[in-house]
Amino acid sequence: ETGVTQSPTHLIKTRGQQVTLRCSSQSGHNTVSWYQQALGQGPQFIFQYYREEENGRGNFPPRFSGLQFPNYSSELNVNALELDDSALYLCASSGDRQGAMRDTEAFFGQGTRLTVV
Amino acid sequence: LAKTTQPISMDSYEGQEVNITCSHNNIATNDYITWYQQFPSQGPRFIIQGYKTKVTNEVASLFIPADRKSSTLSLPRVSLSDTAVYYCLVGDAGSARQLTFGSGTQLTVLP
Repeated sequence: ETGVTQSPTHLIKTRGQQVTLRCSSQSGHNTVSWYQQALGQGPQFIFQYYREEENGRGNFPPRFSGLQFPNYSSELNVNALELDDSALYLCASSGDRQGAMRDTEAFFGQGTRLTVV
Repeated sequence: LAKTTQPISMDSYEGQEVNITCSHNNIATNDYITWYQQFPSQGPRFIIQGYKTKVTNEVASLFIPADRKSSTLSLPRVSLSDTAVYYCLVGDAGSARQLTFGSGTQLTVLP
């Protein structure tokens, strides 16, 4: 149990639609990151938010966007869905850096399985 | 970020010690080595992190030679429930929240 919850657990959407995935981080964690994991591959970094501001982005197009709220919740929005967007979407929260070790542990939710048909 | 290379898969039997080695030849001075475990349809879970020599916690040990160009995750006396994908990550502790995962090592523990 990581204290990070994601909703919904499963979702089926049609190509061209828009989707919003939600994440509730651990209380006190100001950093949230989102990852996309295709079947059989490792998670790929989408972007990161720190105190409600985007703080880094991976190689994903602008139709992937996010929001972070003061209550430690966040959203991943994907517009104009494509078949290749089918994947497990993971959010991870982490605390502020305080020391050299272990402070960077990221706590992952169980993910949202998105299927685009 | 330093690239990592690890075996695609490994098989072991219950009760055995398992060692998974990760190669990271271009590791930088500021980089830490972190291992995550992932079960099917779950998010990755932090196992252990180290900078040099040896680190041990309640679930694993991490061995890092002096040149830090490789590391070995050691799981003592594995059980069936240790069947999972294990990822080796290398990065600056400060930026490690933007994690770069490779393909990982699928460990299968057999009865």
